[in-house]
Amino acid sequence: QKEVEQNSGPLSVPEGAIASLNCTYSDRGSQSFFWYRQYSGKSPELIMSIYSNGDKEDGRFTAQLNKASQYVSLLIRDSQPSDSATYLCAVSSSYKLIFGSGTRLLVRP
Amino acid sequence: DTAVSQTPKYLVTQMGNDKSIKCEQNLGHDTMYWYKQDSKKFLKIMFSYNNKELIINETVPNRFSPKSPDKAHLNLHINSLELGDSAVYFCASSLDADDTQYFGPGTRLTVL
Repeated sequence: QKEVEQNSGPLSVPEGAIASLNCTYSDRGSQSFFWYRQYSGKSPELIMSIYSNGDKEDGRFTAQLNKASQYVSLLIRDSQPSDSATYLCAVSSSYKLIFGSGTRLLVRP
Repeated sequence: DTAVSQTPKYLVTQMGNDKSIKCEQNLGHDTMYWYKQDSKKFLKIMFSYNNKELIINETVPNRFSPKSPDKAHLNLHINSLELGDSAVYFCASSLDADDTQYFGPGTRLTVL
């Protein structure tokens, strides 16, 4: 069974700290990787996409991909209380996205 | 302008009824999807259509029937609703398979 695994959390960090969210996947053929943020009662919204090994930065967010280790991560610098949400890792596989169960992030003021 | 829209937002119904959820996207995308998010918040794909053709059907009971009248619309009809069908159903679209998916606001279905 192809899977995407995340620690469910909650991950609690103080305001201003770096939050590190991790994800592993099982399908070595996957080529596209995404991080979505989902606030309670809302729909998932895209934070970052990454397609090649290495780092990709966008503002306070950095996605990291290591295909050899089948590992993708999301770093959030200068975490804000408004970043408190569930972060979903998604991996493309055979014309579909497979989502992890999400990591709940709590940023303490 | 709403990119991916769904109606209704809430749906409360009795067991055994038949109901439909509608989805429309104005992004010009070729691929549309239906996802189910259960009470544990796990988001799981149900169906995917590319250019009105079904390309993914993920072990979903045949009480669920998607219909795509055109590339911009993907509707979901559910027959003989069961308690276990209670969930939030999300529609999504992408330019092509493997591209970024954009989600609608969701439809919260409650079966009593």
